[in-house]
Amino acid sequence: DTGVSQNPRHKITKRGQNVTFRCDPISEHNRLYWYRQTLGQGPEFLTYFQNEAQLEKSRLLSDRFSAERPKGSFSTLEIQRTEQGDSAMYLCASTGTGTNYGYTFGSGTRLTVV
Amino acid sequence: GEDVEQSLFLSVREGDSSVINCTYTDSSSTYLYWYKQEPGAGLQLLTYIFSNMDMKQDQRLTVLLNKKDKHLSLRIADTQTGDSAIYFCAEMNPGGYQKVTFGIGTKLQVIP
Repeated sequence: DTGVSQNPRHKITKRGQNVTFRCDPISEHNRLYWYRQTLGQGPEFLTYFQNEAQLEKSRLLSDRFSAERPKGSFSTLEIQRTEQGDSAMYLCASTGTGTNYGYTFGSGTRLTVV
Repeated sequence: GEDVEQSLFLSVREGDSSVINCTYTDSSSTYLYWYKQEPGAGLQLLTYIFSNMDMKQDQRLTVLLNKKDKHLSLRIADTQTGDSAIYFCAEMNPGGYQKVTFGIGTKLQVIP
């Protein structure tokens, strides 16, 4: 297992299009998080999964955003009708139980909406 | 409330020590972390400290925690050019979800 994998690394899309990102966490990690990072800011929490259950969503996650984690393995984050304000780095992280709960982050997907 | 504050920028000469400071507001935080982010990359966990500790040392890294003042610091000894990056302070909020709140990040510039 080489860590948390995110695809694609970069995505350029036209305003109004839908985009979907994928995250493959470390296989034994049951907790998965999505964060968004804009330029010059720290990561902001979007949503959290424990196994396949989505247990918390930030108010940042408008109804245009949806996330899934079928079977408790990989996760997808979809943004519908993208807006320029959605341009950001989308980071996925995973962690296991019984640890210091430190996250292992993927390299992120950089979204540019034009 | 959840809020983590850091200074934006620090410049040091190679070989000197760097000290990056952070304040947080949630006194019930259980774990506090330092993450490193290099350009175009995700965040890498550098070190962490549990809230019942006041110091932790890990090779060139020393973390100091002052719970009374809600102040966390990261000292990097013998700073190298490879240490140039953005350093994020973060706190784990208690509760069932181990959600972590990050600061804005401190950009460390190491001058050769």
